[in-house]
Amino acid sequence: KNEVEQSPQNLTAQEGEFITINCSYSVGISALHWLQQHPGGGIVSLFMLSSGKKKHGRLIATINIQEKHSSLHITASHPRDSAVYICAVRKTSGSRLTFGEGTQLTVNP
Amino acid sequence: SAVISQKPSRDICQRGTSLTIQCQVDSQVTMMFWYRQQPGQSLTLIATANQGSEATYESGFVIDKFPISRPNLTFSTLTVSNMSPEDSSIYLCSVSRREVGTDTQYFGPGTRLTVL
Repeated sequence: KNEVEQSPQNLTAQEGEFITINCSYSVGISALHWLQQHPGGGIVSLFMLSSGKKKHGRLIATINIQEKHSSLHITASHPRDSAVYICAVRKTSGSRLTFGEGTQLTVNP
Repeated sequence: SAVISQKPSRDICQRGTSLTIQCQVDSQVTMMFWYRQQPGQSLTLIATANQGSEATYESGFVIDKFPISRPNLTFSTLTVSNMSPEDSSIYLCSVSRREVGTDTQYFGPGTRLTVL
């Protein structure tokens, strides 16, 4: 079993829909990252969370430390949101990141 | 924030050859990492590039195959040696920097390598 699991693996939505991507982890962490990877391969860090909730534009990220779970929400989705979204955690025992498998999001116009 | 550039952005190489990927950061950072992302898979850490000493490799990766240089705090190279089609991947440089009491991680744009 992977230490970081994401669901769903693939998600197709219509423009304007509200989207949720989930991340569960099984280890103690000091921080959780949500990353966005576009088809070209480059990765952008969207959020880093250690507790609570963060919002940036149409993106909202939440984390529940007790339940070892985080969600990334996209409101009013747009085709330009189409990308792979990756959850990554920094374990309390080290400095490296452990990555989930990613969620491929496609938003159709 | 940290701005990271990588060169080349993509390349197509012949089996048996080697490719050196460069990573340049716009500011001094202590921690630099090299990741590999094979097609359809998530990121795997190859090694941590240490300034002034040998890189620290993860299990399954060796210096002879992936030699790394880190001559200063803003630059590193990763060489993929004696390439085979299985080395076709995206290679990403990443840095970690302490900001506002937490370690923030930044990623480069990646180098997409295809080995024929």
